[in-house]
Amino acid sequence: SQTIHQWPATLVQPVGSPLSLECTVEGTSNPNLYWYRQAAGRGLQLLFYSVGIGQISSEVPQNLSASRPQDRQFILSSKKLLLSDSGFYLCAWSVIAGRPQHFGDGTRLSIL
Amino acid sequence: SQELEQSPQSLIVQEGKNLTINCTSSKTLYGLYWYKQKYGEGLIFLMMLQKGGEEKSHEKITAKLDEKKQQSSLHITASQPSHAGIYLCGEQGAQKLVFGQGTRLTINP
Repeated sequence: SQTIHQWPATLVQPVGSPLSLECTVEGTSNPNLYWYRQAAGRGLQLLFYSVGIGQISSEVPQNLSASRPQDRQFILSSKKLLLSDSGFYLCAWSVIAGRPQHFGDGTRLSIL
Repeated sequence: SQELEQSPQSLIVQEGKNLTINCTSSKTLYGLYWYKQKYGEGLIFLMMLQKGGEEKSHEKITAKLDEKKQQSSLHITASQPSHAGIYLCGEQGAQKLVFGQGTRLTINP
């Protein structure tokens, strides 16, 4: 069966520090991968998605970037965190577009 | 872009009662997903609806998509504490899902 792992579960970072969140999927090949952010009191916002290695689509211009160095690995990064980057970050995968997405347990990011 | 409106935003019901959550779109839905999220956790896929008039059930949760494919409802029968959480509907786009704001469900004993 397929599983998705996301880490760390929680992270507290100072403003201006770098960020790296990692997501890996097991049990499937060439999945579509997604990064979402859920800010307090707001819905899920799609940040990036990827349909293959090295292919990244950005939905919202911002202080973040994403990379897919391997087929089942998706990384969310920032060079300098802003206070507004605080939130709950979720990684998800699907077999293809149009099929259900399956989510990781999320990373709660607090910026001080 | 298409927006999904969920109602109510929050709902408090007594254990054992039935409840309904609605998800409305201004345009035709070509794929409607229901997810559940417990606080601080990821989303759990519940059901996907694609055809007008389609209805699916999972345990005590039933979801329907209306004939015009612009509204979906999620109905829980005889609610239990395990049903508490945030319910989100999502609409399938070309490559992504667009979610509603969610409905926070609280079950009181």
